[in-house]
Amino acid sequence: DQQVKQNSPSLSVQEGRISILNCDYTNSMFDYFLWYKKYPAEGPTFLISISSIKDKNEDGRFTVFLNKSAKHLSLHIVPSQPGDSAVYFCAASVWGNQFYFGTGTSLTVIP
Amino acid sequence: DTGVSQDPRHKITKRGQNVTFRCDPISEHNRLYWYRQTLGQGPEFLTYFQNEAQLEKSRLLSDRFSAERPKGSFSTLEIQRTEQGDSAMYLCASSLEPGTGGEKLFFGSGTQLSVL
Repeated sequence: DQQVKQNSPSLSVQEGRISILNCDYTNSMFDYFLWYKKYPAEGPTFLISISSIKDKNEDGRFTVFLNKSAKHLSLHIVPSQPGDSAVYFCAASVWGNQFYFGTGTSLTVIP
Repeated sequence: DTGVSQDPRHKITKRGQNVTFRCDPISEHNRLYWYRQTLGQGPEFLTYFQNEAQLEKSRLLSDRFSAERPKGSFSTLEIQRTEQGDSAMYLCASSLEPGTGGEKLFFGSGTQLSVL
């Protein structure tokens, strides 16, 4: 029962362009959403988050958008840099109890 | 803040052996989580603690898996009679309690288990 889904296993983007990573969820009780970045042989690193009471949160080059009616969120990276190449996981929780993760999207930024 | 520490980083064992992993969370964090991740998948929830109390355990978790957090600080995850299907990265994460900044998890580098 995959409550958080990332339907694109991989994405390639030219350096300097925008990267858009998508995530869908099924549980309407989720009230907090997060994006994590993971390099090989390392644990995931927190990137950015958004509460369900907001529809946008921005932190430097990273912006997360939440569309509750569509149960969809996206991560925008502008401009994309080669160092952004990693696997990105979307996660969701109900009030910080048990976090559910998607299967990840592998981003490659081409110099 | 030294981050979440996991030991060992790698473990190779033979099928049928028992293994134990250790996790030291960020010191002020009272919540501690164990996740498992296999290739091409996201982290899968195993169990979590608030202080020394184990609050939830995945129903998918075999009885061969047990976790403890005896003094509410470090935690151990033991797998008995390992099987080849147990091969995975075992991730530990910690957080504050929800409502006090506990809305995000901080992960360790993981223990990569290979069962031969």
